[in-house]
Amino acid sequence: GAVVSQHPSRVICKSGTSVKIECRSLDFQATTMFWYRQFPKQSLMLMATSNEGSKATYEQGVEKDKFLINHASLTLSTLTVTSAHPEDSSFYICSATAHGAEAFFGQGTRLTVV
Amino acid sequence: QKEVEQNSGPLSVPEGAIASLNCTYSDRGSQSFFWYRQYSGKSPELIMSIYSNGDKEDGRFTAQLNKASQYVSLLIRDSQPSDSATYLCAVRTGGGNKLTFGTGTQLKVEL
Repeated sequence: GAVVSQHPSRVICKSGTSVKIECRSLDFQATTMFWYRQFPKQSLMLMATSNEGSKATYEQGVEKDKFLINHASLTLSTLTVTSAHPEDSSFYICSATAHGAEAFFGQGTRLTVV
Repeated sequence: QKEVEQNSGPLSVPEGAIASLNCTYSDRGSQSFFWYRQYSGKSPELIMSIYSNGDKEDGRFTAQLNKASQYVSLLIRDSQPSDSATYLCAVRTGGGNKLTFGTGTQLKVEL
């Protein structure tokens, strides 16, 4: 399958700081990228959908000013968690798809806010 | 009613047996169906996609789709301990790109 690379895989940050997570499609152009959050032993929760060159669409209950998403090119999307707090600690995962075909996931980023 | 439903399990099968994982969905307009495998602490990995009624086989995996019954399943033949994971059913509806996931079924393959 196609390769989606997510970086960093693990990050620890201090409360109040911001963290940027990158998601890259390495061998295809991703028209749409998705950002998910997953708490231990729970299902994936879609946070937002981003299409290249346009504003992200956030799911209900997700603060767009806290979780900034940029999809500046067909191969890169970033998620910035601003003013992170311990309750933001979670497993963040991106996925990418091209024109509604199969969606492939990045490796995930485990964020710990201390 | 949830959009995509799966039994959370755990589903336990002995090594070498067939594991059968089931998923139902509510939107009749759904067009694309996917099975992902997720190991603990890892991100989901695509196993199978299926778009039309019937069976689709890939190695030890067979996906089955019945749009009239709004039902999709995944069969794993000759189950191995390495198949132990959570299996996520995902459905894409209409013309959008968004996938709706079930909560996943935990599979345990026992020696």
